[in-house]
Amino acid sequence: QVQLVESGGGVVQPGGSLRLSCAASGFTFSSYGMHWVRQAPGKGLEWVAFIRYDGSNKYYADSVKGRFTISRDNSKNTLYLQMNSLRAEDTAVYYCAKGQLRYFDWSYFDYWGQGTLVTVSS
Amino acid sequence: DIQLTQSPSFLSASVGDRVTITCRASQGISSYLAWYQQKPGKAPKLLIYAASTLQSGVPSRFSGSGSGTEFTLTISSLQPEDFATYYCQQLNSYPAFGQGTKLEIK
Repeated sequence: QVQLVESGGGVVQPGGSLRLSCAASGFTFSSYGMHWVRQAPGKGLEWVAFIRYDGSNKYYADSVKGRFTISRDNSKNTLYLQMNSLRAEDTAVYYCAKGQLRYFDWSYFDYWGQGTLVTVSS
Repeated sequence: DIQLTQSPSFLSASVGDRVTITCRASQGISSYLAWYQQKPGKAPKLLIYAASTLQSGVPSRFSGSGSGTEFTLTISSLQPEDFATYYCQQLNSYPAFGQGTKLEIK
């Protein structure tokens, strides 16, 4: 069965950095685009970033462009999100999500991890 | 950027009721729309994609319709486990979600 397990969340000061990981299993990770989605406390869902199945293309929300970097290691079945210059407004639960269709950039998010909480506070 | 507006934002209903949630897009998105269900403390779950296709394992009381700029999610007969928050999502351009509709027990 498909499993996505995020890790790496925690408390960080404004201006600091954090790297999130998402360990994938139960499917051919190297064939699917992957996303990060976040949810601030008590708020709705916000798409953050996408990486193509082979890592050759990446897209970002304007709110994180230039500060966050998405990457993947297909040999380790792991997705990453490097977050730099963190701000209070980046405080959220961060979910990784799998694209539904092999090799497609935009497809629906059919599996999600349980999320990892990032808190940016002094 | 394409904006999605859901209505209502809050909905109070009873078990057995038929409910409809609407999602309007700021410009046409063909049928590139999905619906997700989220329960407190849990990850979202894909219910419907391509506006009207039921995801595998989702009960048939859920249905979706629409194209262009107006879409609906209908639950034909509410069950206790359906009380949750529902989000629409468009994939015509960079992914974006509606603000959510919280469905509560009356």
